Amino acid sequence: AQSVTQLDSQVPVFEEAPVELRCNYSSSVSVYLFWYVQYPNQGLQLLLKYLSGSTLVESINGFEAEFNKSQTSFHLRKPSVHISDTAEYFCAVSAPISGGSYIPTFGRGTSLIVHP
Amino acid sequence: GAGVSQSPRYKVAKRGQDVALRCDPISGHVSLFWYQQALGQGPEFLTYFQNEAQLDKSGLPSDRFFAERPEGSVSTLKIQRTQQEDSAVYLCASSLGFEQFFGPGTRLTVL
Repeated sequence: AQSVTQLDSQVPVFEEAPVELRCNYSSSVSVYLFWYVQYPNQGLQLLLKYLSGSTLVESINGFEAEFNKSQTSFHLRKPSVHISDTAEYFCAVSAPISGGSYIPTFGRGTSLIVHP
Repeated sequence: GAGVSQSPRYKVAKRGQDVALRCDPISGHVSLFWYQQALGQGPEFLTYFQNEAQLDKSGLPSDRFFAERPEGSVSTLKIQRTQQEDSAVYLCASSLGFEQFFGPGTRLTVL
């Protein structure tokens, strides 16, 4: 079984400031790690994922996350946030399943609030 | 549209009523997933289909919950004799390979 802990339920930050959203996981097997974003009134979107290889993964809109196996963490960072980054962010962990897909276990989410 | 659609977007039910929630996946997507997201929580897995076969239903919280995908495309999640604790957003996702694409969800409120 896997579990995910997102310690911060809400992170307020000013525009252009850096931000880190924390995620820790537990699992007895090798896992995939994900960050999803949910903008107001929209569905969940995959932001980035770690499957294997390089422990630093990046998204197209400037976010990055680093897989740290010894600390069982997958924190999400962005060096300079924009108002449009205001959203709910979910960390998720999954072991692979048949058919090449996965069934993620989600954290409770962190609400990123970017102030002008 | 090209995305996953769900209907209705909002549903209010009286306790004890039966409800049916529909998911239209992206055309051609083989896998389909249902999740339940309670207020202030992350989504929790309910069930998973590959084509018309329901491969995993371990997340369904009780035998009042039933899902089907008879032709391997549209799926329906049915909740019988709804209870207040069933109030949540129900999310559907579909995938062809690895990435899951989520619909906007159906918000169910049981009074």
